[in-house]
Amino acid sequence: QKEVEQDPGPLSVPEGAIVSLNCTYSNSAFQYFMWYRQYSRKGPELLMYTYSSGNKEDGRFTAQVDKSSKYISLFIRDSQPSDSATYLCAMSGMAGGNKLTFGGGTRVLVKP
Amino acid sequence: KAGVTQTPRYLIKTRGQQVTLSCSPISGHRSVSWYQQTPGQGLQFLFEYFSETQRNKGNFPGRFSGRQFSNSRSEMNVSTLELGDSALYLCASSSGLADYNEQFFGPGTRLTVL
Repeated sequence: QKEVEQDPGPLSVPEGAIVSLNCTYSNSAFQYFMWYRQYSRKGPELLMYTYSSGNKEDGRFTAQVDKSSKYISLFIRDSQPSDSATYLCAMSGMAGGNKLTFGGGTRVLVKP
Repeated sequence: KAGVTQTPRYLIKTRGQQVTLSCSPISGHRSVSWYQQTPGQGLQFLFEYFSETQRNKGNFPGRFSGRQFSNSRSEMNVSTLELGDSALYLCASSSGLADYNEQFFGPGTRLTVL
């Protein structure tokens, strides 16, 4: 079983809908939680970063971390066709330095 | 500010050969991490270099090696290539100074092993 599990999708939604993405993990040492977006033929780019449990909002994006359940989520409000991409969750621990453990990624398609 | 650059962008090799990939980090960044991305295994951490020293290592065989130069540029080498080494190889740079450092990814080198 992988340390970080993520539904691969694809997830297809109409423009304007809320996109809901989530990951579960097994390593309780993870302290830093990130969401990356990756367009085709590009490297991942950081969307959101959260330390420990809690919520964080940035524009149309909201990240939630529930360490007690080992569950993280990303919500995208008012989705746009330009949000069509693969979304990857990633995690690291205090002693992990820059070692990120990624979920498998969820492919999202926002239809006009 | 220039981003992370990787060369070459595409590479085709045959089994048994070796390959060297290059990564130039963002100016001022001292940490370079390498990742392998495949459809089956996703993004997996290979290793991280900070100030010319390997600081972290993932679970890959010894055929995968790397180094970092004094200007923070990094190279990754894969010897005795196998078909399963076909992947997108990504490098990421960061300052490397804190417990959490935002990592900026390059566009990757797509390696095909025939």
